[in-house]
Amino acid sequence: DVKVTQSSRYLVKRTGEKVFLECVQDMDHENMFWYRQDPGLGLRLIYFSYDVKMKEKGDIPEGYSVSREKKERFSLILESASTNQTSMYLCASSLKGTDTQYFGPGTRLTVL
Amino acid sequence: AQSVTQLDSQVPVFEEAPVELRCNYSSSVSVYLFWYVQYPNQGLQLLLKYLSGSTLVKGINGFEAEFNKSQTSFHLRKPSVHISDTAEYFCAVSDLRSNTGKLIFGQGTTLQVKP
Repeated sequence: DVKVTQSSRYLVKRTGEKVFLECVQDMDHENMFWYRQDPGLGLRLIYFSYDVKMKEKGDIPEGYSVSREKKERFSLILESASTNQTSMYLCASSLKGTDTQYFGPGTRLTVL
Repeated sequence: AQSVTQLDSQVPVFEEAPVELRCNYSSSVSVYLFWYVQYPNQGLQLLLKYLSGSTLVKGINGFEAEFNKSQTSFHLRKPSVHISDTAEYFCAVSDLRSNTGKLIFGQGTTLQVKP
């Protein structure tokens, strides 16, 4: 079974703090994705990566950056957290050439 | 550009009743189609997918969906729901042309099963 883990289930941070969200997958998947989920808006893609050190912007990259130094790990960074980044963040991975994504349990981030 | 529209944000239904969750998509190229389910406080789990072949696709937990190319729809159905089916359901499409594995998700439909 594919396992995607996220470092925290719940996180509370203050405005202006630098925030790191970590995602690890154990199935040697090439593709990894970061989404944010907000009520009524579904899932929106922030960034994705199709290989180590490779990244591409998704639909809403502003205010975020990512890092992929190892194949199994994909980090989402909020350089200076703001209250409008309060949301559920979901990480996913997939095998190259396939479209089925496997999701982690999510991190609910609150920025005060 | 591709898009996915889930026509109902909430669907309340009584236990053992049938249910249909509607999904329409827009795309100028061929797509793969997916339904994911998210139980409370969990990540998304694949329910079923259409890649090619038979337009009626069966998934886990008794769900099925029918791909209708002329109506660009991929509605999800279950003949008899259980309380445990209460969850949020997402329809998604992929772009076969991009080869990036990216999915575009709909807004989600909350299925509330009442006793």
